[in-house]
Amino acid sequence: GAVVSQHPSWVICKSGTSVKIECRSLDFQATTMFWYRQFPKQSLMLMATSNEGSKATYEQGVEKDKFLINHASLTLSTLTVTSAHPEDSSFYICSASGARARSPLHFGNGTRLTVT
Amino acid sequence: DQQVKQNSPSLSVQEGRISILNCDYTNSMFDYFLWYKKYPAEGPTFLISISSIKDKNEDGRFTVFLNKSAKHLSLHIVPSQPGDSAVYFCAAAGGTSYGKLTFGQGTILTVHP
Repeated sequence: GAVVSQHPSWVICKSGTSVKIECRSLDFQATTMFWYRQFPKQSLMLMATSNEGSKATYEQGVEKDKFLINHASLTLSTLTVTSAHPEDSSFYICSASGARARSPLHFGNGTRLTVT
Repeated sequence: DQQVKQNSPSLSVQEGRISILNCDYTNSMFDYFLWYKKYPAEGPTFLISISSIKDKNEDGRFTVFLNKSAKHLSLHIVPSQPGDSAVYFCAAAGGTSYGKLTFGQGTILTVHP
């Protein structure tokens, strides 16, 4: 089945630094990738939709200048958390949509970000 | 405004019995529904989905039922196994983007041996 790889699986960084998270579709071309965030004991919340070759679409309340998304190829999307603060500590998960309509989303294994 | 709700935070079931996980939604535009299983510090794993043109979809031990008039869906796991213990999320999609999922809060399922 379709596989989505996310890297790193966990990262600890200091306040004010930037962190980049990669999401790759390993065996299919993903024209669209999605970035979600999950706070402890809460649901997954969609942050943004990443389209290959165009600007990402952000959900209401998500700062586009803080969460930079790049989707340079059909198999790779990156999320950069800029000037990270402790409140950005969360579990970030990407998912990818294949070309087939209504194909279920496959998720990466997530990245646990801790900002100290 | 929570458009997808899982009102039971947890469910405990004996091995071999049926597990029934429930989910309600409010947005009439949703027409595609999915169930995911998730372990801590991992991404969700797709289990089963259903389109609004159906009222039932079955895959092995997993069956999803959809009641559109009630805006309610449920996941049945029969027979339940200890390895099924995890957090289960229902998710809904609709409109032009089936990749933009709205998730429920999740239900922690514990299957006791």
